[in-house]
Amino acid sequence: EAGVTQSPTHLIKTRGQQATLRCSPISGHTSVYWYQQALGLGLQFLLWYDEGEERNRGNFPPRFSGRQFPNYSSELNVNALELEDSALYLCASSPSWTGTYGYTFGSGTRLTVV
Amino acid sequence: GQQLNQSPQSMFIQEGEDVSMNCTSSSIFNTWLWYKQDPGEGPVLLIALYKAGELTSNGRLTAQFGITRKDSFLNISASIPSDVGIYFCAGQTWNAGNMLTFGGGTRLMVKP
Repeated sequence: EAGVTQSPTHLIKTRGQQATLRCSPISGHTSVYWYQQALGLGLQFLLWYDEGEERNRGNFPPRFSGRQFPNYSSELNVNALELEDSALYLCASSPSWTGTYGYTFGSGTRLTVV
Repeated sequence: GQQLNQSPQSMFIQEGEDVSMNCTSSSIFNTWLWYKQDPGEGPVLLIALYKAGELTSNGRLTAQFGITRKDSFLNISASIPSDVGIYFCAGQTWNAGNMLTFGGGTRLMVKP
């Protein structure tokens, strides 16, 4: 069974540009979560999607947005990139928003803003 | 918002030693989870705890859900070089749906 896949693995953008990160969940998983992991720090919750709806949002500015497609894959968009947006962005999936059994994470997208 | 204080931040131990790390919170959590992250990878779930006082083992790993529901610890016995990585605790509350709050991580280094 394929795990959570994220693309691209690395992304270099210039300050002010937009970045789009993609995530494919494990087959059968309807919930997708996005976390930001700045260098040397823990994971900060960004967004949670289930069945195409945004269920919860972390304490991030509106220029962080996303969506979930009918096939449950998801996209994270970061507009007006700032240097401090440089981080590892992790996507995770779980079977359902009612589950409490932890997530399966992808390997992440390393975003570097220069 | 909720905060998880994880300690120690880093540990450098000799192969074969036992390791202990813990997480504390000012808030109650309904579920405690422990993850390990290898360089360049996403975190991998090690142990999940669902009940206050619960003690669960996974091989050389043992974790406990504190009786107050505000803390958890992870022990690793007889450490080996492949235990190297960053260990994260994470807590979940029912009113936050599936959102997890993560600790800052414990970086474990093992000297052969």
